[in-house]
Amino acid sequence: KQEVTQIPAALSVPEGENLVLNCSFTDSAIYNLQWFRQDPGKGLTSLLLIQSSQREQTSGRLNASLDKSSGRSTLYIAASQPGDSATYLCAVPRWETSGSRLTFGEGTQLTVNP
Amino acid sequence: DTGVSQDPRHKITKRGQNVTFRCDPISEHNRLYWYRQTLGQGPEFLTYFQNEAQLEKSRLLSDRFSAERPKGSFSTLEIQRTEQGDSAMYLCASSLISWGTAGNTIYFGEGSWLTVV
Repeated sequence: KQEVTQIPAALSVPEGENLVLNCSFTDSAIYNLQWFRQDPGKGLTSLLLIQSSQREQTSGRLNASLDKSSGRSTLYIAASQPGDSATYLCAVPRWETSGSRLTFGEGTQLTVNP
Repeated sequence: DTGVSQDPRHKITKRGQNVTFRCDPISEHNRLYWYRQTLGQGPEFLTYFQNEAQLEKSRLLSDRFSAERPKGSFSTLEIQRTEQGDSAMYLCASSLISWGTAGNTIYFGEGSWLTVV
C-alpha cells in the first residue's frame, strides 16, 4: 500500500525566503507525482506534474524534483511572497490501477509573513 | 470558465436525509474522480469513472453512497441516510487519459462542503 508523507506539517517564514517542502512515498513504482496548492476552504490547484522519467519541473518561482529510487520529491519555492500562503499537497497515482486514484500526503501548511 | 464545477458549494442537512452533489468536468476529459477531504487531512479517493463506466470504488464508499456518470458527461454523488461522520468536503476532479501517456494532470473543482447536523 502506497503511503505518502509530507514534512514539515507547518512552516512559517518571512517574505523573501527560499524554502523547500518535502514529500516521500513508500512505493517507488509510480507513473508521476503531482504537487497541488489548496487555499482554506477551497479546492486543489495543480502546480506541477513530474512524470516518472523526469527529474524536475519548473513553473515560475516553483521547482519540483523527483528521485524515484529514494522515494522523494521536493518543492522549492523561490523568493516567497505572502500570496504563497496555503497548504501544499503532493500526490502519487496507484501503479496497479493504470495511474488513476491518487494517494495524497497530509500537506504542508505554509505561512509567509510580510 | 472551463474548469471543473461543483454544485452546491455548501450543504447543511439533518442526519438521516439524502443529499446529492453534482460535478461538471472539463468538457473533453474522459476520467472523472470523487474524493473526500476532512479538516487537516489530504483528500481520500472514493471512486472514478472512465467515460460512463465506474471502474473503481474505494472501501470508503459504503452502500449509502452511489455515484453515476450518465453518458460520460456530468456526474452525481448521492449520500443516503446521512450520518454526522459524512461531514466533509467532497471534491470532484477530471483528467484526460489516452493510450501511451503516463498520466496527465488531474484538475480539481472547488469542492462541495457537507455538514450533517
